[in-house]
Amino acid sequence: EAGVAQSPRYKIIEKRQSVAFWCNPISGHATLYWYQQILGQGPKLLIQFQNNGVVDDSQLPKDRFSAERLKGVDSTLKIQPAKLEDSAVYLCASSKGTGGDTQYFGPGTRLTVL
Amino acid sequence: DAKTTQPTSMDCAEGRAANLPCNHSTISGNEYVYWYRQIHSQGPQYIIHGLKNNETNEMASLIITEDRKSSTLILPHATLRDTAVYYCIVRVGRGGSRLTFGEGTQLTVNP
Repeated sequence: EAGVAQSPRYKIIEKRQSVAFWCNPISGHATLYWYQQILGQGPKLLIQFQNNGVVDDSQLPKDRFSAERLKGVDSTLKIQPAKLEDSAVYLCASSKGTGGDTQYFGPGTRLTVL
Repeated sequence: DAKTTQPTSMDCAEGRAANLPCNHSTISGNEYVYWYRQIHSQGPQYIIHGLKNNETNEMASLIITEDRKSSTLILPHATLRDTAVYYCIVRVGRGGSRLTFGEGTQLTVNP
C-alpha cells in the first residue's frame, strides 16, 4: 500500500513570496491533516479535512495560510505572503476516518524562508 | 487533551530494552495514551496506543499504571534504527481527532 505522498520535499523562498505544498493521502482515507513542525518542536496541527470539508482550522493563520481539498482526495496548502517564522517542515497525514483512527504521515516538505 | 511530561533525552545500548516513561497525571477516563516516533527527516510513525490495559504489538509494549497517571513504552531489543524522537500523546480515542505533540524524548541507541 502506498503511503502519504508530499511534494516538493524541499523549498527555499524569499520572504513575502508565496509557496504551495501538495499532498496525496493514502487511497481511501477520508481524513487529511496538515501539520507544521518548527525545528526542535513537535508537529502542530494547522487544519483537518473530513472528505472535502474543514473539520478543524482553529490553529491555521488564516491571514496568510490557506488550504483546500477539492474532490476529497489531494490537498494543497498555500502560504501567501511567507514570513521568516514560517520556516518549518510541513507534514501531511491521513486516516481512514475521524476520532481515534491512526494517522499516517508523509515525509514532509522542508520550507526555508530567507 | 491532557498534557504529558517526558524526559528530554535517553540513551540505550543496542540489544537492550529501552524503557521510555511518560507522565499524564491529568488524563481523563475517556482519553487514550498514544505513542508515535519520528526518525530524523521522516514524518511521525504510529507505534501503539492503549486505554487501561497493557498492550503489545510487533514494535513495542505499552505499560499503563493502574491509576493511568503514567505509562512506559518498552522497546524490547533496541536497534540503531530505533534512534528517534518518541512522542507520548493523550487524546480522546473516539470523537477526538487532534494529535497534540509535545517535545518528546530523543532516544539514542548506542552500538
